[in-house]
Amino acid sequence: DIQMTQSPSSLSASVGDRVSITCQASQDITNYLSWYQQKPGKAPKLLIYDASVLETGVPSRFRGSGSGTDFSFTISSVQPEDFATYYCQQYDSLPLTFGGGTKVDVK
Amino acid sequence: EVQLLESGGGMVQPGGSLRLSCAASGFTFSSYAMTWVRQAPGKGLEWVSSINGDDGSDGRAYYADPVRGRITISRDNPKNTLYLQMNSLRVEDTAVYYCGKSGSYYYNNWLDSWGQGTPVTVSS
Repeated sequence: DIQMTQSPSSLSASVGDRVSITCQASQDITNYLSWYQQKPGKAPKLLIYDASVLETGVPSRFRGSGSGTDFSFTISSVQPEDFATYYCQQYDSLPLTFGGGTKVDVK
Repeated sequence: EVQLLESGGGMVQPGGSLRLSCAASGFTFSSYAMTWVRQAPGKGLEWVSSINGDDGSDGRAYYADPVRGRITISRDNPKNTLYLQMNSLRVEDTAVYYCGKSGSYYYNNWLDSWGQGTPVTVSS
């Protein structure tokens, strides 16, 4: 199984801050990686797929990059609606696996 | 607009069975793979099962090891509905179960739309 190690597990930020999250795969997954946002009691929402492609309708302050085993996710200027938990997911091979999540809360 | 609406969750005793449903609308259901993902209370996301799109030539199903042999995924394309038949349920199956639409015909893809989730509680 491909393990997805996401860090940090939590971080605190203020509105306007730049936030970065990393996701490391235990083996090469090319660019088969997506990022999701989940708010409490809600379903996850797709933000980025193929490591760097922004889903339609997602604000451009969200950015993804990386390939192979090392990936990053950045919010250039955190907005109040961005406080949530973020997950990476690999879809290179079965079983599909998710990172452990990063909770972004208010500093 | 894509909509996914899960139903069928509830409380069941260990060893019991449940059938979850996911009613889909707003896209050509048969052309896309569909996936079930679960989230135990206070935990992260866990892939459960996927089924390829089914235009009559595929519809292949895939399962996570913890559920293989106890869970069956299926789809009824004329009814635009995805199912998850869960048997021999265990306490550790307790979670919110989400259905998700794949970005393509095949399972190995991102999930671009999700339902609101249906809770399953396995307890004596």
